Parts: sequence; structure tokens; C-alpha cells
Amino acid sequence: DGGITQSPKYLFRKEGQNVTLSCEQNLNHDAMYWYRQDPGQGLRLIYYSQIVNDFQKGDIAEGYSVSREKKESFPLTVTSAQKNPTAFYLCASSFSVPTEAFFGQGTRLTVV
Amino acid sequence: GIQVEQSPPDLILQEGANSTLRCNFSDSVNNLQWFHQNPWGQLINLFYIPSGTKQNGRLSATTVATERYSLLYISSSQTTDSGVYFCAVLGEGNKLVFGAGTILRVKS
Repeated sequence: DGGITQSPKYLFRKEGQNVTLSCEQNLNHDAMYWYRQDPGQGLRLIYYSQIVNDFQKGDIAEGYSVSREKKESFPLTVTSAQKNPTAFYLCASSFSVPTEAFFGQGTRLTVV
Repeated sequence: GIQVEQSPPDLILQEGANSTLRCNFSDSVNNLQWFHQNPWGQLINLFYIPSGTKQNGRLSATTVATERYSLLYISSSQTTDSGVYFCAVLGEGNKLVFGAGTILRVKS
């Protein structure tokens, strides 16, 4: 099946640890995005990438890092520098020309 | 950057009622989408509608790009329509920018 796969669905992390969230797509999309959603809030853009080996900061990039070594994959690392990492993280992808974007099912990260 | 405003922020309906959700944006766009976020958090694509009108069952959407707004119509609402509705536009640098959403509650 074509789509966007995020893993894991739930993730628990101890304070001070880095953690990496996976996002894989087999839609041949060029662009990929990472968003953060806090309870009762909208989506805020963390990082996005329009092409392999290139990515740009979004509105709330501090404390996060990404890589785009392959077209299909856009992993997000939540570092210990992120002061309040507990949130719902959503990954999306689209073709590079303005077209419809699609989302994965999300990862719920809880810092314990 | 581009600003996206949605209204109303909250809406409570009786089952069977109709509703209109609005999305205003501050600059011209060539990409606009409507999403429904279900109780499990997944974003479901409703419409990709940079301009014009589209219909899908009980839902329809209209975007008037020259006046910088889009409307989502829900007719004969059902309890399964409950959730959060987001609109999103493609802004400068191909950033997908979301509005704050409309929380819809449909009561049986």
C-alpha cells in the first residue's frame, strides 16, 4: 500500500535523552514536513525538506534536528535541548509543485 | 509570512443540522486543503481546493482565491463528523501553513 508510515505510534523518553522519530513514504513525494501538535492546539511546523540533502527550519526548530539522506525518509530527532518535548508529532509529504499533502498517523511522545 | 484564520473556533450542532466553516488567508495562494482530524489524531484529507467548488457526499468546499477565503459546508451532520477541521495553505518557501482549526461537536 502506498502511504506515509510513522513509527513508533507511542514513545516514552526519559528527560535528557535524545530520541528519533521515523517517517517513511513510498509515494515518490519530493517534499516532506514535520509538525508538532500540543493538546487543543493547531499544527506548528518544525522542519521541512523540498529535496534530498536539503531542509529548512520551520517556526519551532529549536531543540530538533532532521536529515534527508533518502527521498523516502525524513527522520526527526528530538534532542535534550528541547525544553518541552511531550507532544503529538505528525509527518507529511507532497510533490514539490503545489499539490495535495498527505499525513502519517503520528507519534505521541511523552517525556517521563 | 502568510496568516491563516479559521472561524468559528468552536461549534456545537444537533445531529442533522448544517454548518459552514470559514478559512481566511492573508495572501494569494495556489494551494489550499481542508482536513478533518479524527479522535485518534489522524489528519484525513477532505478537499484539495485552490479555487472553485468541490463536493464529496455531504461535504462541499468553495475557495474564492481572489477574495482570500474558503468555506467548508457540512450538511445533515452526523456524530461521526465531530472532531477538528483544519485548513492549510502553501505559503512562502513552500511551507504548508495551518489555521488554528474549528472544533466541531455533533450531538445526537
